[in-house]
Amino acid sequence: EPEVTQTPSHQVTQMGQEVILRCVPISNHLYFYWYRQILGQKVEFLVSFYNNEISEKSEIFDDQFSVERPDGSNFTLKIRSTKLEDSAMYFCASMPGLAGGEQYFGPGTRLTVT
Amino acid sequence: DAKTTQPPSMDCAEGRAANLPCNHSTISGNEYVYWYRQIHSQGPQYIIHGLKNNETNEMASLIITEDRKSSTLILPHATLRDTAVYYCIGSTSGTYKYIFGTGTRLKVLA
Repeated sequence: EPEVTQTPSHQVTQMGQEVILRCVPISNHLYFYWYRQILGQKVEFLVSFYNNEISEKSEIFDDQFSVERPDGSNFTLKIRSTKLEDSAMYFCASMPGLAGGEQYFGPGTRLTVT
Repeated sequence: DAKTTQPPSMDCAEGRAANLPCNHSTISGNEYVYWYRQIHSQGPQYIIHGLKNNETNEMASLIITEDRKSSTLILPHATLRDTAVYYCIGSTSGTYKYIFGTGTRLKVLA
């Protein structure tokens, strides 16, 4: 059964460093998402992406964040200058289409900023 | 965006049906109700979704009230592996972003 994959599973970085989190969505899916979950808190929407552009973004998704689909298969989230408060699980999700389609989530990347 | 309300926790005996309620009184006519679960810190796992009619799949059943203000997820024979946080989500039209609440922490007891 196809699944969303994410790498790395755990990333440790120092404050101020840039990180790139990678996701491979399910083939033929058209809509892509990033969510994050700070330990012990709710899953929060960050950004949605369709047709090679951002469809919607939350207040969390400020200028420090960017997304890209560089090669038609990978979907990346970049944080330019990490802060301690960026420490969280980051989940990628993909959806085949609209009109009631469900999102499929990856296993997540745990980002620890020290 | 539809706001959902769920009880914070529930217990269920193994082998019995688990009935998880959700209130979504502000849901609009074209918004689906989705149910996901999250086991530990894993990625949320899709369970079922519906618009107006009741739905059933191999994992669960979804009962939606006629006025669509609430729904109930039914796990017919709960097992220990069903212990998880269950989220009821009313997705928005457009980009279908999910707004997660705090969910219901279901504990299945042996």
